Amino acid sequence: NAGVTQTPKFRILKIGQSMTLQCTQDMNHNYMYWYRQDPGMGLKLIYYSVGAGITDKGEVPNGYNVSRSTTEDFPLRLELAAPSQTSVYFCASSRDTDTQYFGPGTRLTVL
Amino acid sequence: AQTVTQSQPEMSVQEAETVTLSCTYDTSESDYYLFWYKQPPSRQMILVIRQEAYKQQNATENRFSVNFQKAAKSFSLKISDSQLGDAAMYFCAYRSLDMNRDDKIIFGKGTRLHILP
Repeated sequence: NAGVTQTPKFRILKIGQSMTLQCTQDMNHNYMYWYRQDPGMGLKLIYYSVGAGITDKGEVPNGYNVSRSTTEDFPLRLELAAPSQTSVYFCASSRDTDTQYFGPGTRLTVL
Repeated sequence: AQTVTQSQPEMSVQEAETVTLSCTYDTSESDYYLFWYKQPPSRQMILVIRQEAYKQQNATENRFSVNFQKAAKSFSLKISDSQLGDAAMYFCAYRSLDMNRDDKIIFGKGTRLHILP
């Protein structure tokens, strides 16, 4: 049972570099989400999607972009990485506005 | 704006004892979901229990139960017969049914629970 998978697990970026965090779910969930978790804090919603081709902003979308071309995949793109984007990133999915299932997280450091 | 407050940054409990983690929230909505998630050192977020606001009955999952007081906007988690594997960070979360809101999903800052052998 794969559930929600994220790659990579860890990444170090230099300021100004860009990268894509990958997220895939095999539960045929319509909803998918990206969160960031800063030290000592709860999760904050970056972007979400209610289905293929539909995305919308969460609480903290600046500096990020997403796309949803398939039900399974929801990549998060960081353009021009900044130290403020150092965080742990979680992807999640849900069938509807109900329980979310989370991936294992990606720890990103921007130096 | 909706908020979730966990007033206890850390708690400790003796193994086999009972512990209650508190969570309060603020909202003007009448229908919503509330969740408790567990985050062990592996960082994986694991759902512990959920509550639909329109249901008056408190949710229960084995050793985990909640005390949901809608009027007081309180949603505490009770862990009975605490086990070493319960040691983790626990997050309370609020979910609006209105996906047009910026603050549709709000997490508290968490409570770190230590289990003493």
